[in-house]
Amino acid sequence: AQKVTQAQTEISVVEKEDVTLDCVYETRDTTYYLFWYKQPPSGELVFLIRRNSFDEQNEISGRYSWNFQKSTSSFNFTITASQVVDSAVYFCALSEANMNRDDKIIFGKGTRLHILP
Amino acid sequence: DAMVIQNPRYQVTQFGKPVTLSCSQTLNHNVMYWYQQKSSQAPKLLFHYYDKDFNNEADTPDNFQSRRPNTSFCFLDIRSPGLGDAAMYLCATSFGTGSGETQYFGPGTRLLVL
Repeated sequence: AQKVTQAQTEISVVEKEDVTLDCVYETRDTTYYLFWYKQPPSGELVFLIRRNSFDEQNEISGRYSWNFQKSTSSFNFTITASQVVDSAVYFCALSEANMNRDDKIIFGKGTRLHILP
Repeated sequence: DAMVIQNPRYQVTQFGKPVTLSCSQTLNHNVMYWYQQKSSQAPKLLFHYYDKDFNNEADTPDNFQSRRPNTSFCFLDIRSPGLGDAAMYLCATSFGTGSGETQYFGPGTRLLVL
């Protein structure tokens, strides 16, 4: 069965600090996809990144970076030089390849990030 | 810009009074999903459509129904809302290839039940 664990329920850091959000996943499939979404107070889920299981290269996008390690089943997300606008709930999610033609995902419980001015 | 639109953003209804939430998309995606999200929880999938094929999650209450009259629109009907149905309702879309295509979400509708 597939599962996503975000052990950090809530994190608070002071603006300009770096912060890492942890994500550990479980799946029996060799082909799977990992995602991060941001949910600001307005409520919309904003897509941040999609990574397939065959691509372990780390990704950097501006102040955001992602570390994918299959050996530890982790897909961690780091925000460098955090800003108040980064305050949100962040969800890690997993999707397994399937023949049903859907792209269903399993969400972790989310990490609420507070960036303090 | 291609997008997922939900109306209304806020909906107030009375206990037991049927309510319909609307979602539309300009992405031309095959799959449309409805999620329920309660405070401090992850979104919970209620059901999805692949084109006109309806797929219900096993634990979705019968009180929740959905319609998809065409590719662009999908509706969530709550036949007899209870206080426990107060939540954020999120619509999402994806291509629908079974290869982990990205789901794109609308802004959500916050439902309040009085």
